[in-house]
Amino acid sequence: DAGVIQSPRHEVTEMGQEVTLRCKPISGHNSLFWYRQTMMRGLELLIYFNNNVPIDDSGMPEDRFSAKMPNASFSTLKIQPSEPRDSAVYFCASKGETDTQYFGPGTRLTVL
Amino acid sequence: GENVEQHPSTLSVQEGDSAVIKCTYSDSASNYFPWYKQELGKRPQLIIDIRSNVGEKKDQRIAVTLNKTAKHFSLHITETQPEDSAVYFCAASKDAGGTSYGKLTFGQGTILTVHP
Repeated sequence: DAGVIQSPRHEVTEMGQEVTLRCKPISGHNSLFWYRQTMMRGLELLIYFNNNVPIDDSGMPEDRFSAKMPNASFSTLKIQPSEPRDSAVYFCASKGETDTQYFGPGTRLTVL
Repeated sequence: GENVEQHPSTLSVQEGDSAVIKCTYSDSASNYFPWYKQELGKRPQLIIDIRSNVGEKKDQRIAVTLNKTAKHFSLHITETQPEDSAVYFCAASKDAGGTSYGKLTFGQGTILTVHP
């Protein structure tokens, strides 16, 4: 199995632009999690889905952030408009029937 | 909600020494406690986990202990090697099902440096 796949791996954009991060979970996994990692705040859970349905989005920082999971093999995290304080590494993780969450390689976002 | 506190934030040891990282959690319903290792520029990866019906689990040089009464759990690394240098995160979760779906609450992380 290829593991969790994220794209792009690096994104540099200017303030005000729309950013879309993509995630493909491990095949057969039914839970998907989006995290943000910064030095100051550590690993923060933004939102998670179960069977493609958003369960808890209380970690989404602002209305500028939105996430979708249109099917079992694809999810997006969108920031519109982006701001410099959104600069971070964004991880997607998926989980199947066991308790283990498997992380993707992350997307390093820089907003200038 | 759950709150996980992790200590120390940094830990420096000599190669061959032991390292211990401690975490406390607040929700007595939590029953799954994984530890993740994150090397610089890499993704967090699970290294060991423990469920609340077990007091200790060991895998080669790493072990985890759990004290449910005190609501704390610890990671022990023996005979440390330079390649153990990384950031270590503890986490806590309730079982999937109900309203939790395996959500993890992470500690703040410990930067472990093993000096040759």
